[in-house]
Amino acid sequence: GQNIDQPTEMTATEGAIVQINCTYQTSGFNGLFWYQQHAGEAPTFLSYNVLDGLEEKGRFSSFLSRSKGYSYLLLKELQMKDSASYLCAVRDQDSNYQLIWGAGTKLIIKP
Amino acid sequence: SAVISQKPSRDICQRGTSLTIQCQVDSQVTMMFWYRQQPGQSLTLIATANQGSEATYESGFVIDKFPISRPNLTFSTLTVSNMSPEDSSIYLCSVERLPANTGELFFGEGSRLTVL
Repeated sequence: GQNIDQPTEMTATEGAIVQINCTYQTSGFNGLFWYQQHAGEAPTFLSYNVLDGLEEKGRFSSFLSRSKGYSYLLLKELQMKDSASYLCAVRDQDSNYQLIWGAGTKLIIKP
Repeated sequence: SAVISQKPSRDICQRGTSLTIQCQVDSQVTMMFWYRQQPGQSLTLIATANQGSEATYESGFVIDKFPISRPNLTFSTLTVSNMSPEDSSIYLCSVERLPANTGELFFGEGSRLTVL
């Protein structure tokens, strides 16, 4: 079956670093995505990994290990505006390349 | 990027009524997707709206409950029929960033429905 797990909620301090983990089980893995969703707003694209390794984009980095079915999103130099939900999604070629979504991790940034 | 306008942004509806949500995109797109996001839960794909053909529904969603129209390449509607409190949710329209099949989606701001 298909399954995506990520922590429900995390808390971090402004200026610090936080790592949000995502584990997945799919039959036809074809890429992993991270989206950011502020409360009451639409999700916005953050990153895409299809090969193993780290993709860096400014303060945000995303890592993928296909053999372990594991990804993480790393946020550095946290700012208050980073308080949001972070959604992990996997594209599954056995589901017509649709995205399978995790429930999201609510990140709370404290001063 | 694509600009997606959805309306209504929110509504309070009575049980048994139906509501149509509109989605307008500022560019022509082949496929438009309708998602549901219930409080604290993940995004769930309802259906894919294709221009010129019937929508493709995901398991657990049927056309009688969620009829979809796609009259052209920039517009789609989703109707939530015979609503019950369980239909209270955020409904999101999305399109894929071109070139197609990259998986990166743009979303409308969502329509928050509360059914009493």
